[in-house]
Amino acid sequence: EPEVTQTPSHQVTQMGQEVILRCVPISNHLYFYWYRQILGQKVEFLVSFYNNEISEKSEIFDDQFSVERPDGSNFTLKIRSTKLEDSAMYFCASSEQGEQYFGPGTRLTVT
Amino acid sequence: QKEVEQNSGPLSVPEGAIASLNCTYSDRVSQSFFWYRQYSGKSPELIMSIYSNGDKEDGRFTAQLNKASQYVSLLIRDSQPSDSATYLCAVNDQAGTALIFGKGTTLSVSS
Repeated sequence: EPEVTQTPSHQVTQMGQEVILRCVPISNHLYFYWYRQILGQKVEFLVSFYNNEISEKSEIFDDQFSVERPDGSNFTLKIRSTKLEDSAMYFCASSEQGEQYFGPGTRLTVT
Repeated sequence: QKEVEQNSGPLSVPEGAIASLNCTYSDRVSQSFFWYRQYSGKSPELIMSIYSNGDKEDGRFTAQLNKASQYVSLLIRDSQPSDSATYLCAVNDQAGTALIFGKGTTLSVSS
């Protein structure tokens, strides 16, 4: 069964550093998403992406964040200058239409 | 502010019983509703989607939607210890891309 994959599974970075989180969505899906979940809190929407552009973004997704589909398979989330409060699980998801399927996540730890 | 509300639990049921999980949402124009299961430290796993008023059954799971009452529920029949997890209710926002999640209800099934 096809699934969303994410790398790395765990990323440790220092405050102020740039990080890139990578995702490979399910191959025939057209919609891609990033969500985050701070420990003990609910899953929060960051951004959705369709047809090589952002469809929707939340208030969390400020100028420090960007997304890119650099090739036909990868979908990336970049955080330019990480803050302590960016520490969270970051989930990539993809969908063909309504149902979104999540990857295993990247645990980002900012020290 | 769009909200999805769930009782955090824990909801404890004996093996073989029916577990009933409830969710209310604030945005009257929401169109799509989803139940995800999340094991501790893992990513959300899609269980059910429901788009129309009424019941939708899939194996041991039944989702129920009442748009007039802005209420979604999930019934799990013949609960198993492996069903012990946090169940997340999610609703599509008005733009139709972002999922708005509740905090989740923790279910514990005892053998």
